[in-house]
Amino acid sequence: KQEVTQIPAALSVPEGENLVLNCSFTDSAIYNLQWFRQDPGKGLTSLLLIQSSQREQTSGRLNASLDKSSGRSTLYIAASQPGDSATYLCAARTGGSYIPTFGRGTSLIVHP
Amino acid sequence: NAGVTQTPKFRILKIGQSMTLQCTQDMNHNYMYWYRQDPGMGLKLIYYSVGAGITDKGEVPNGYNVSRSTTEDFPLRLELAAPSQTSVYFCASSYGRGALAGGPDEQFFGPGTRLTVL
Repeated sequence: KQEVTQIPAALSVPEGENLVLNCSFTDSAIYNLQWFRQDPGKGLTSLLLIQSSQREQTSGRLNASLDKSSGRSTLYIAASQPGDSATYLCAARTGGSYIPTFGRGTSLIVHP
Repeated sequence: NAGVTQTPKFRILKIGQSMTLQCTQDMNHNYMYWYRQDPGMGLKLIYYSVGAGITDKGEVPNGYNVSRSTTEDFPLRLELAAPSQTSVYFCASSYGRGALAGGPDEQFFGPGTRLTVL
């Protein structure tokens, strides 16, 4: 059974820092991995989707990488801003399954 | 495209009452999902559907029912509401192929329904 872990659970950084959020998964036979952002009281917003054949995806200041052999994905946020404050979740879907497995998220605060 | 829409946004129920949470997507997605999210507990899958007329149980289906008569709609029915069903409910959808051909792709979420059972 796929298990997804996100460490740390919470992170507070000053504005302008480059930061890395971690997502670990136990089953390397994943088909894709998706990163989401959730603002308080809101739904999940898709940030990036990485297919198993890809090593990374980029969108603006965000870059997500995937290393299946080590069971890790990282979300890199460049030049963080207070508006980046949110909870970031990752979800890994194993090949042959219809259901992604979610981590519990990392709560990020970027202070001015 | 409106994406995934959910109604109502908020609802308070009394114990024993029933209600239906509505979910509609306009992206012609074949996969649809219902999750509940409790503080500190992460997302838990209630039911999912791989296409019209096909539904299956997720991790926490007890106390809930679903139907999928059209591609667009995936309502979640709560019968005999209990305080343990107080939660935020999210509907999501994906486009994709069958499991052997890769399965669902990027997942999109609705804004959620905040339900309180008193």
